[in-house]
Amino acid sequence: DADVTQTPRNRITKTGKRIMLECSQTKGHDRMYWYRQDPGLGLRLIYYSFDVKDINKGEISDGYSVSRQAQAKFSLSLESAIPNQTALYFCATSDFRDAGGYNEQFFGPGTRLTVL
Amino acid sequence: GENVEQHPSTLSVQEGDSAVIKCTYSDSASNYFPWYKQELGKGPQLIIDIRSNVGEKKDQRIAVTLNKTAKHFSLHITETQPEDSAVYFCAASRGSGGSNYKLTFGKGTLLTVNP
Repeated sequence: DADVTQTPRNRITKTGKRIMLECSQTKGHDRMYWYRQDPGLGLRLIYYSFDVKDINKGEISDGYSVSRQAQAKFSLSLESAIPNQTALYFCATSDFRDAGGYNEQFFGPGTRLTVL
Repeated sequence: GENVEQHPSTLSVQEGDSAVIKCTYSDSASNYFPWYKQELGKGPQLIIDIRSNVGEKKDQRIAVTLNKTAKHFSLHITETQPEDSAVYFCAASRGSGGSNYKLTFGKGTLLTVNP
C-alpha cells in the first residue's frame, strides 16, 4: 500500500551492528505496528503503538526497540543485530474509528533484513 | 492467548478450479476474521473479512464461511486465475473493545494456480 512506506527495502548488515528500520504513513491512522515474517511462521507482532505516547510490547519484543516520533512515523531498532533476526519486517497501520472499531490493518511493502 | 491454525500450507490447483483454505481458532471471544493476500515482494493486503454476526460473506469469486460453534472459518476462491497465486493468511481478533488491536495470524498458505 503506497500510503504506508518503509525504508530501507533491503538491508544487509553484520552481527553486532545497530540497525534502524523506518515506517511512514499518510493514512492519518493512530495505530501503528511492527511485525516480523519468517518462512512458515506467519506474521508475529514485535511492538505496537496506539498514539505517540503509547508504546507496547508484542509477542517477540526481545532484542528490538521502537520510537514513535510523530503520529505518522514509527521506527524499529535492532540494538545489536544477530543472525536469527534475519527476516522480513512489516509495518502496519490501523484506525480504531474505522468500520465500527474492527481492526483492518494496512501493511507497508516490507524490509528484507539480512544479518551476517 | 489466541492460537490460529491454517491448512494447507501449500495448495496447487489448475486454472478454473476452486481453492479452499481452512483455519481454526482457539479464543471463543474472537469475533473478527480477516483474510490477507500477500503477493511476492509486497505486504499483506486485506481481501475479505467476516464478523461473528454472519455465517458467510461473498465478494465476486471469493467467499468466507464461519462456524463459531466449531471455531473454524474458511476462504473459498472459485474460478481461480493465475493472478490468484499468492500467500494467503487468515487471522482472528476480538474485533471490538479493548483487545481489538491484536490480530493473530495463521502461518499462511502458498496458493499456486497453474495455467
